[in-house]
Amino acid sequence: EPEVTQTPSHQVTQMGQEVILRCVPISNHLYFYWYRQILGQKVEFLVSFYNNEISEKSEIFDDQFSVERPDGSNFTLKIRSTKLEDSAMYFCASSEWGAGAPYEQYFGPGTRLTVT
Amino acid sequence: KQEVTQIPAALSVPEGENLVLNCSFTDSAIYNLQWFRQDPGKGLTSLLLIQSSQREQTSGRLNASLDKSSGRSTLYIAASQPGDSATYLCAVPWTSGSRLTFGEGTQLTVNP
Repeated sequence: EPEVTQTPSHQVTQMGQEVILRCVPISNHLYFYWYRQILGQKVEFLVSFYNNEISEKSEIFDDQFSVERPDGSNFTLKIRSTKLEDSAMYFCASSEWGAGAPYEQYFGPGTRLTVT
Repeated sequence: KQEVTQIPAALSVPEGENLVLNCSFTDSAIYNLQWFRQDPGKGLTSLLLIQSSQREQTSGRLNASLDKSSGRSTLYIAASQPGDSATYLCAVPWTSGSRLTFGEGTQLTVNP
């Protein structure tokens, strides 16, 4: 069964460093998303991406964050200068697009980001 | 702004019991509703999706209902097993392809 994959599974970085989290969405999906979950808190939406542009973003997704689809398979989230409060589990998700599509979102296993 | 609430926050039951998890949302203008399972430190596994026009959806021992007008959904788990122990999350988007707003989850423990 097709699945969303994410790398790395765990990333440790120092405050102020740049990190890139990578995702490979399900191949026939056209909507891509990033969410995060701070330990013990709700899953929060960051950004959605469709047709090579951001379609929606939350107030969390400020200038420190960016997303890119560098090729036909990868979808990345970049955090330019990490802060302690960016420590969280980051989830990538994807969904189908089209008339009659259920837009069910399928999630990857997550990348645990630890900022020290 | 959509708010999603799940009750109870935690539930502990003996194996074999039937149980109901509750999800409520403040804005009834939803496109669908998804129920997820999350194991500790792991990703989210989609269990069921109910379209806004549907009242019910079933998968194996799981049955989810949706009452859009009252802003409620329930997840019924029949004949619970220890392997069902996990956190169950519900989430709603307001339109096709839009962000999911999540509840806090119900942490379920099924005791052998």
